[in-house]
Amino acid sequence: ETGVTQTPRHLVMGMTNKKSLKCEQHLGHNAMYWYKQSAKKPLELMFVYNFKEQTENNSVPSRFSPECPNSSHLFLHLHTLQPEDSALYLCASSQDLNRGPANYGYTFGSGTRLTVV
Amino acid sequence: GQQLNQSPQSMFIQEGEDVSMNCTSSSIFNTWLWYKQDPGEGPVLLIALYKAGELTSNGRLTAQFGITRKDSFLNISASIPSDVGIYFCAGRGNTGNQFYFGTGTSLTVIP
Repeated sequence: ETGVTQTPRHLVMGMTNKKSLKCEQHLGHNAMYWYKQSAKKPLELMFVYNFKEQTENNSVPSRFSPECPNSSHLFLHLHTLQPEDSALYLCASSQDLNRGPANYGYTFGSGTRLTVV
Repeated sequence: GQQLNQSPQSMFIQEGEDVSMNCTSSSIFNTWLWYKQDPGEGPVLLIALYKAGELTSNGRLTAQFGITRKDSFLNISASIPSDVGIYFCAGRGNTGNQFYFGTGTSLTVIP
């Protein structure tokens, strides 16, 4: 399998639940990202990992907890979410943060559509 | 964060027509990217631009890096139904590694 794969594609959870989103890439990339996509809003960067090290946390509430066990896998652990957290959560990867222009593009997964009830 | 303004927000065009959309920022960028997102999918990179004035094509798509470095343009020629989707611009300046995304232009092509 190639590209960036996200599971599950859809998730409905209650505000007291704990769930995890999974992202896997088979592109040999070393940087991975979580983005939140809400209707009528720009993509919001949440977290960045480069060579398994978190390099950016864009003021994300602690109810979102990322984990990057290796360069191919990225998780987003969710607990006590709010209804306003309902959105499409996109994972992306790129070669790494420090390469030249040819590697600036991200490859996105298809996303997890999250609904918090 | 940086604000990227994309216009128009939505377009309804007849099949075969040409399409133009643009993206402007409040600050100078060194890289511009254009993505397309199909319903239920993640964005897919269409074109990347790396220097002011650069004009790059990908099939019927052509994008330009504005001379002021604060804007970028995407043109689609002879639109077809599969061009339907949301087109996003993304830009990055010379500080930090983060790309900032526009709010998207939703394109509908009427057969």
